[in-house]
Amino acid sequence: DTAVSQTPKYLVTQMGNDKSIKCEQNLGHDTMYWYKQDSKKFLKIMFSYNNKELIINETVPNRFSPKSPDKAHLNLHINSLELGDSAVYFCASSQSPDTQYFGPGTRLTVL
Amino acid sequence: DQQVKQNSPSLSVQEGRISILNCDYTNSMFDYFLWYKKYPAEGPTFLISISSIKDKNEDGRFTVFLNKSAKHLSLHIVPSQPGDSAVYFCAVRQGAQKLVFGQGTRLTINP
Repeated sequence: DTAVSQTPKYLVTQMGNDKSIKCEQNLGHDTMYWYKQDSKKFLKIMFSYNNKELIINETVPNRFSPKSPDKAHLNLHINSLELGDSAVYFCASSQSPDTQYFGPGTRLTVL
Repeated sequence: DQQVKQNSPSLSVQEGRISILNCDYTNSMFDYFLWYKKYPAEGPTFLISISSIKDKNEDGRFTVFLNKSAKHLSLHIVPSQPGDSAVYFCAVRQGAQKLVFGQGTRLTINP
């Protein structure tokens, strides 16, 4: 049974489009995260939600909007996609900030 | 400016020998350090951690060493096994909810 799942696994789209990535965790954790792994391979936090409330919002363009309908879900919506948005996006969840459980990632390619 | 650096993008080790992965950080206020392991097409998984009050933590074949004066962290794997081939990320805890990751080192264990 998958602990943290993301859909889709791959996403190829044109510049200017709007797309969403969904994340669900069945671990009962209170905190969920979105990370971006860019071409230089650094894994950088974008957002963190605790019990549906935004607690971390790094310097991310406001074209990126996270939405948490309940504490088991954290979706990422991206407006007006740009070439530089191409990356692998990882969702994660945790009960403590140290041990985070990651999803398999969504590889976004913007053409 | 990267606060966590893994200067070796890759490392190749013979099966049965010791693998040593290194990580440097910039801020002496960091108090908790972690290693994550990532296989292709999967998300990172937690491996081992160490608090700044210790200089060594061991878990089976994995040992993490912390040198606070040098702001240096290392992961030792001994003996190395083919299943250890993966990308290893060093991470530090920053604040209550945030992990900052290095760019990873790809470890290849040769039979």
